[in-house]
Order: sequence, then C-alpha cells, then structure tokens
Amino acid sequence: DTGVSQDPRHKITKRGQNVTFRCDPISEHNRLYWYRQTLGQGPEFLTYFQNEAQLEKSRLLSDRFSAERPKGSFSTLEIQRTEQGDSAMYLCASSPATSGFAYEQYFGPGTRLTVT
Amino acid sequence: DQQVKQNSPSLSVQEGRISILNCDYTNSMFDYFLWYKKYPAEGPTFLISISSIKDKNEDGRFTVFLNKSAKHLSLHIVPSQPGDSAVYFCAAADRGSTLGRLYFGRGTQLTVWP
Repeated sequence: DTGVSQDPRHKITKRGQNVTFRCDPISEHNRLYWYRQTLGQGPEFLTYFQNEAQLEKSRLLSDRFSAERPKGSFSTLEIQRTEQGDSAMYLCASSPATSGFAYEQYFGPGTRLTVT
Repeated sequence: DQQVKQNSPSLSVQEGRISILNCDYTNSMFDYFLWYKKYPAEGPTFLISISSIKDKNEDGRFTVFLNKSAKHLSLHIVPSQPGDSAVYFCAAADRGSTLGRLYFGRGTQLTVWP
C-alpha cells in the first residue's frame, strides 16, 4: 500500500535560506493539496492542484511561497527567504477525482520545518 | 476566523467506556463533515464522514452524529480502546465549491486509559 509520501521528514534551516519540500501523492489521485499545521492548530489550507493546474491559493501563501506540480504527479513547495514564523508542519494530501468532489483526502506524514 | 471549532482540547476516558468528541461550525455552506485521527509524527488519517443529508453515520465502533440546526456534530467511539488515544480533528467542506478544500478544527487530544 503506497500512501502519500513526503520528503524530507524534518528540515532545520537558518532564517533567510530557501527550502524545498516534495510530495508524492497516491498514484491514481489527481488532486493534491498542501496544508500547514502549527502548534495547537488544525491543518490550514495553503494550495490545491488538479493535475498540473494550481487552482487555488490561500492568503496564507505569501509571495515567498511557490508550489508546482509540473507533470501532474509529484509536487514541490518552496519557501524563499525563510522566517521564523514559517516553522510548522507542512502536510500534503491527495484525493481521487470522483464524480463531483473528493472530500476524503489522504495525508502524508508531513515535513516539519524549523527555522532558527 | 475559526469556522470549525473544537472547544475541548482534551478528553480522558477509561477503556471500554464511550468517548464523545464534539465539533461546532459557523459556516452554513458546509455540508460535508469528516473526522481525522492523528498520531504523533504521522499525518492525519481519515476516520469517518457524513453528508448533510444524513444525521448519523456508523462504521464499526465509530458513529458520527450531525445536528444541522445546531451546527454541531459529534463523534462517538464505543467501546474506547487505548489504541484510540490520538488527536482527533473535525473537518468540514462546502459542496458548493469544486475545490474540496477542508476546514479543520484545532483538534481534541483523546486519552484512553486502562
């Protein structure tokens, strides 16, 4: 059973550095989501892809954040000029495109980012 | 503004008893609701869901109840087991949106003790 995978699992970086995270969704899922979770909070939506098209971005996703899904398979999330407030768990989720909507999203283990 | 609220950050229950986790929402456009379970160092795992056309959905030991007029849902776990100890997140979606974005509450830490 190959679920959603994320790499790396942990990342420690210094303020001002750029970081990139990767997400590999479940192979037959064409919808991919990025969420961010901070301590004591639930996951907060960042952005959504259907195949390679990025269809929505949250206001949380500042100009320093960029996400791609070039071939409609894996996705990357890059944070430029990291700030201490970027420290969080970054979660990726995928879901299949059933008729209508696919609400049941399957999450990866997350990438924990610590900005020092 | 938190559109999905879980007002109890923690719940402690003895093994074998019922666990009841509560969730309230404010957005009347939400019409699909989910519960996720999360263990430390893992991503959330889908547990059970309910559409607004129903008021109850059951899956083994887990039952979700929806009260639309009160904008309230609850997750019942019977009987509770120590392996159920985890953080439980309530999530909601708006079927009027084609995007499937989920809105999460802050979670409730459930501890089931022997």
